[in-house]
Amino acid sequence: QSVLTQPPSVSGAPGQRVTISCTGSTSNIGAGFDVHWYQQLPGTAPKLLIYDNTNRPSGVPDRFSGSKSGTSASLAITGLQAEDEADYYCQSYDVSLTGSKVFGGGTKLTVL
Amino acid sequence: QVQLQESGPGLVEPRETLSLTCAVSGYFISSGYYWGWIRQPPGKGLEWVGIIYHRGPTYYNPSLKSRVTMSVDTSKNRFSLKLSSVTGADTAVYYCAREELVGPAGRGRVDYWGQGTLVTVSS
Repeated sequence: QSVLTQPPSVSGAPGQRVTISCTGSTSNIGAGFDVHWYQQLPGTAPKLLIYDNTNRPSGVPDRFSGSKSGTSASLAITGLQAEDEADYYCQSYDVSLTGSKVFGGGTKLTVL
Repeated sequence: QVQLQESGPGLVEPRETLSLTCAVSGYFISSGYYWGWIRQPPGKGLEWVGIIYHRGPTYYNPSLKSRVTMSVDTSKNRFSLKLSSVTGADTAVYYCAREELVGPAGRGRVDYWGQGTLVTVSS
């Protein structure tokens, strides 16, 4: 059971918009810690997609955007493309116990 | 371009110690950032193992803390992971990574990842 909760799967047709939620609590996202998002293409290492809730690293298309509110965060992908089919993970920090980086369980995006 | 490359045995026997090394190129470890490990069991999600700063402070996942040791060799620009008393639950792809130097340790984003190495725990 992950500290951050993501839907196991989402899907959409090419050109559509999809969102992936990341639900935490008052000991992580709700405590003010930033959320980062990673994209993991099949058989490869994760890649940083969104950092500090809303920022895109150089080279990441503006079709990808992030937001955060309260104890949750979301990743939105517009103009869905076949190459976006991947696993997506959110990450934050949790202060319970002695503190630790925590990840969501991951969401598999299928482009129909 | 920062590059990280994991190396180590792909098979470890139960109750033994898993040992991995990460060689860094394109950036000097001693210049900053945290350096650490993240693992991913087959077909499952990501789990933070821990990080180390080149001057020595280490920060480990509380659930693994009693079994984890990390070290840095700045002369060879590499860092290492040891995980003791392994079981089948430690079978995973282990990624070495560079992590943003912000506090508290572990809060930051991971901006560079190695390609990962599969370690299987089995007799």
